[in-house]
Amino acid sequence: AQSVTQLGSHVSVSEGALVLLRCNYSSSVPPYLFWYVQYPNQGLQLLLKYTSAATLVKGINGFEAEFKKSETSFHLTKPSAHMSDAAEYFCAVRNLYGGATNKLIFGTGTLLAVQP
Amino acid sequence: SQTIHQWPATLVQPVGSPLSLECTVEGTSNPNLYWYRQAAGRGLQLLFYSVGIGQISSEVPQNLSASRPQDRQFILSSKKLLLSDSGFYLCAWRLDSTEAFFGQGTRLTVV
Repeated sequence: AQSVTQLGSHVSVSEGALVLLRCNYSSSVPPYLFWYVQYPNQGLQLLLKYTSAATLVKGINGFEAEFKKSETSFHLTKPSAHMSDAAEYFCAVRNLYGGATNKLIFGTGTLLAVQP
Repeated sequence: SQTIHQWPATLVQPVGSPLSLECTVEGTSNPNLYWYRQAAGRGLQLLFYSVGIGQISSEVPQNLSASRPQDRQFILSSKKLLLSDSGFYLCAWRLDSTEAFFGQGTRLTVV
């Protein structure tokens, strides 16, 4: 079975500071990994995805994540936080073998606050 | 391009009343469709998924049901709502090899 653990349900950073949101996964087969962002009362928007190509993945809004198999991690980073980055972030995993029953499994989310 | 529509955006319903939330997808054929529920601090819980018309799989026992009467239409229903059904409901679609795309969600409050 696959699972995702997001360490830290709330993270607060100052504007301009480094953003680091942690995600560790568990999967018995090679995974696909995703980061989604959710603004209040809205759906989820894809930030970036890892699909077994380059281990360093760049996404929208200056975010990037690095797949580290040895650490089973897929942490999300951004060098300089902006006020508009305040939102909830979800890490998700599914295996690469496809099929509708290949479900997307989400972590419990990390709420990012950006202080002026 | 593909789009997903979900409505209503917000809903306040009394306990014991019925529920019908609708989700439609445009610009793709034979998508896999999903209903998620989001409760505060608990992430997204997959409720139902569908691989085709009339094909519904339930992930957790609950007071809700789902139906797929058309290829690009997915409906979440209940005959009698409970207080515990309150939450933020999200519809999503994907094709086999892609990521999931989400609707804007429905905030359901059962009073």
